Amino acid sequence: DGGITQSPKYLFRKEGQNVTLSCEQNLNHDAMYWYRQDPGQGLRLIYYSQIVNDFQKGDIAEGYSVSREKKESFPLTVTSAQKNPTAFYLCASSTPGKREQYFGPGTRLTVT
Amino acid sequence: QQPVQSPQAVILREGEDAVINCSSSKALYSVHWYRQKHGEAPIFLMILLKGGEQKGHDKISAPFNEKKQQSSLYLTASQLSYSGTYFCGTRSGGGADGLTFGKGTHLIIQP
Repeated sequence: DGGITQSPKYLFRKEGQNVTLSCEQNLNHDAMYWYRQDPGQGLRLIYYSQIVNDFQKGDIAEGYSVSREKKESFPLTVTSAQKNPTAFYLCASSTPGKREQYFGPGTRLTVT
Repeated sequence: QQPVQSPQAVILREGEDAVINCSSSKALYSVHWYRQKHGEAPIFLMILLKGGEQKGHDKISAPFNEKKQQSSLYLTASQLSYSGTYFCGTRSGGGADGLTFGKGTHLIIQP
């Protein structure tokens, strides 16, 4: 079955540690995205990539980094520079016509 | 700029109709509607494109008023499963940029 997978579902880290969230898709989508959602809030764009080896900052990129070495994979690193990293992180990918976006199940990150 | 959704919350009885609004101060190329259940990922409902093209579910309609940069999501004969938070996401260009989401509308359907 085609889809977007994110792992792990829940992640706990100590403050000051970097952590990498995984996102894989087998939908043959060119574009991939990372969003952050805080309780009771909408989604905010962190980074996106329209093609392998290329990515652009979104609205809240500070304290995050990404890579896009393969079409199928778009990992997100939450660095120690991110002041409020605790959130629900959602990865999405976009159809070849670059229109509707589909989301993975998300990773809930808690940093204490 | 973030689109504005209204109302913030609505409670309905099963079988009633619901309307959720999304408006932007920027010229839009597309409007995307999603529904999210608590703790889960958003589920794609509809996409509306400048020029009138749209794609989505049969039981949901969401006209796109290009002049006013607005879209309204119409849910008819609501079912219990319609409960959740509805988000609109907007895009100003025709490329593959990310979406800008509103803060959401909480919909509760009671038996």
